[in-house]
Amino acid sequence: KNEVEQSPQNLTAQEGEFITINCSYSVGISALHWLQQHPGGGIVSLFMLSSGKKKHGRLIATINIQEKHSSLHITASHPRDSAVYICAVSATDSNYQLIWGAGTKLIIKP
Amino acid sequence: EAEVAQSPRYKITEKSQAVAFWCDPISGHATLYWYRQILGQGPELLVQFQDESVVDDSQLPKDRFSAERLKGVDSTLKIQPAELGDSAMYLCASSRGRARNEQYFGPGTRLTVT
Repeated sequence: KNEVEQSPQNLTAQEGEFITINCSYSVGISALHWLQQHPGGGIVSLFMLSSGKKKHGRLIATINIQEKHSSLHITASHPRDSAVYICAVSATDSNYQLIWGAGTKLIIKP
Repeated sequence: EAEVAQSPRYKITEKSQAVAFWCDPISGHATLYWYRQILGQGPELLVQFQDESVVDDSQLPKDRFSAERLKGVDSTLKIQPAELGDSAMYLCASSRGRARNEQYFGPGTRLTVT
């Protein structure tokens, strides 16, 4: 079992739809990160969470420490949101190095 | 807004040649990371620096890869000799510290070995 699991692996939606990507982890963490990677591109950090909820523009990230679960939401999705979204955790037992989820490939159709 | 700088953005080299990548982290960031990302896979940590010291290089293929951060600021990752399997995106990231600090990623260097 992977230490960080994301679902779904692939998601295709229509422009304007509300998007949810989930992340579950099984290790002790100091923080959880959501990152975005466009095809062939570098990685952009979207959020770092250790508790509660954060919002940036149309993106919202939540974390439930007790349930070891986080969600990334995109409101009013747009084709430019098409990318791979990656959940990664800073694991306390691994010198805070990032343990990466497999990523969720999101395609937003116009 | 401060960014992590990397160069070159793209590099094509022949196998058995030497290649070097450069990274300049965000000013004041003590921790610097080099990752390798093979197409379709997640990033793999190659080496982590805390200031000028290597904290972890357990995944660095030391027979051909080397990394340095002499003054605790910018860093160089070298491959000599390059092999076909080294074709990947090489990402540099930096953070203020290790524990709760967000990692900021550079744009990456895409290496193609022919």
